[in-house]
Amino acid sequence: EAGVTQFPSHSVIEKGQTVTLRCDPISGHDNLYWYRRVMGKEIKFLLHFVKESKQDESGMPNNRFLAERTGGTYSTLKVQPAELEDSGVYFCASSQDPRTGYNPTYGYTFGSGTRLTVV
Amino acid sequence: GDSVTQMEGPVTLSEEAFLTINCTYTATGYPSLFWYVQYPGEGLQLLLKATKADDKGSNKGFEATYRKETTSFHLEKGSVQVSDSAVYFCALSGDNQGGKLIFGQGTELSVKP
Repeated sequence: EAGVTQFPSHSVIEKGQTVTLRCDPISGHDNLYWYRRVMGKEIKFLLHFVKESKQDESGMPNNRFLAERTGGTYSTLKVQPAELEDSGVYFCASSQDPRTGYNPTYGYTFGSGTRLTVV
Repeated sequence: GDSVTQMEGPVTLSEEAFLTINCTYTATGYPSLFWYVQYPGEGLQLLLKATKADDKGSNKGFEATYRKETTSFHLEKGSVQVSDSAVYFCALSGDNQGGKLIFGQGTELSVKP
């Protein structure tokens, strides 16, 4: 079974540019989450999709961030325009637990992350 | 709101040393507690978990006990190996949160031969 795939693995862009991160969840997983870790701090929740719907986007930092999940398959996270403080590692995770999103036995499956550097 | 606090790193140990990484939490209700690990170049992996008070999670020689009275979930291993070098994250999932995880800031562990 293929895992959660994220790309690119690394991205270096200039301040003011646009970057789009992509996450391919495990096939059949309705729940998809985005998290990010900034500057060695805690990993913070960004948002949660159930299929193509945004279930919870309370962690999105501002309107420069736009997440989509058309068709309930892969998801994209666009940052436009990027700022220096957006640098960090962006993680995606998927889960197949329609009740809670998190499976206490199996957990999520996380991708390897995208390291974004804004210069 | 819910939060997780874990000891800051980096932590450097010699092989076969005893490891403790402290983790405390603040949450309403009865959250589930987790330790995740990120090995160099890899994604986050669930290391162990506990879903109710006094549960002990264990995996790969690591253990952690859910202590509600002290709101703690400290990670321990009796004898670390070089291959345990990684970043360890304590996390919780609260009641009715749709599966959202709240993480601590991570503790980098480096084990020297």
